[in-house]
Amino acid sequence: DIQMTQSPSSLSASVGDRVTITCRASQNIHSYVNWYQHKPGKAPKLLIYAASTLQSGVPSRFSGSGSGTDFTLTISSLQPEDFATYYCQQNYMPPITFGQGTRLEVK
Amino acid sequence: QVQLMQSGAEVKKPGASVKVSCKASGYTFSNYGVNWVRQAPGQGLEWVGWISAYNGNTNYPQKLQGRVTMTTDTSTSTAYMELRSLRSDDTAVYFCARRYGDYDDYWGQGTLVTVSS
Repeated sequence: DIQMTQSPSSLSASVGDRVTITCRASQNIHSYVNWYQHKPGKAPKLLIYAASTLQSGVPSRFSGSGSGTDFTLTISSLQPEDFATYYCQQNYMPPITFGQGTRLEVK
Repeated sequence: QVQLMQSGAEVKKPGASVKVSCKASGYTFSNYGVNWVRQAPGQGLEWVGWISAYNGNTNYPQKLQGRVTMTTDTSTSTAYMELRSLRSDDTAVYFCARRYGDYDDYWGQGTLVTVSS
């Protein structure tokens, strides 16, 4: 199985901060990475697909980059509604696997 | 608008089975797949499996092979996930999601399955 190692596991930040979350795959997965935002009691929300394509309706402060084994999700200026847990997901080959999540908390 | 509406919470005893439904609306059901993902208490997201609503093809992770079965009913635009021989570590919120190509763009609200004696 392809392992997705996400870091950091938790992060404290303030409104207006720039935040970067990274995900490393255990093998080359090209650009088959998606990023999701998950809030307690809610369904996960797709933010970025194919490593860098912004899902329709998602604010432009979210961006994704990377290919091969190293990927990043960046939030350019944190807003109050962005405090949540973020997951990367690889779709290069089954089984689909997720990173362990990054919990973004208010500093 | 695209919506996925899941069935309600379930409480089951160890060894029992559970069947969760996911009714889709707002799109042509048979043109997409359905992914199932679960989140155990305090844990991250885990893939449970995928089914094509077009032809019924499925793909399950090895750890659940033999215990999980996914089906669809195109006449009602509903996907089902059945998990058998339930164990305490199957306690989780189960989500269905519309699989569009290589990503999951719309998600159900989640169904809590509790396995407890």
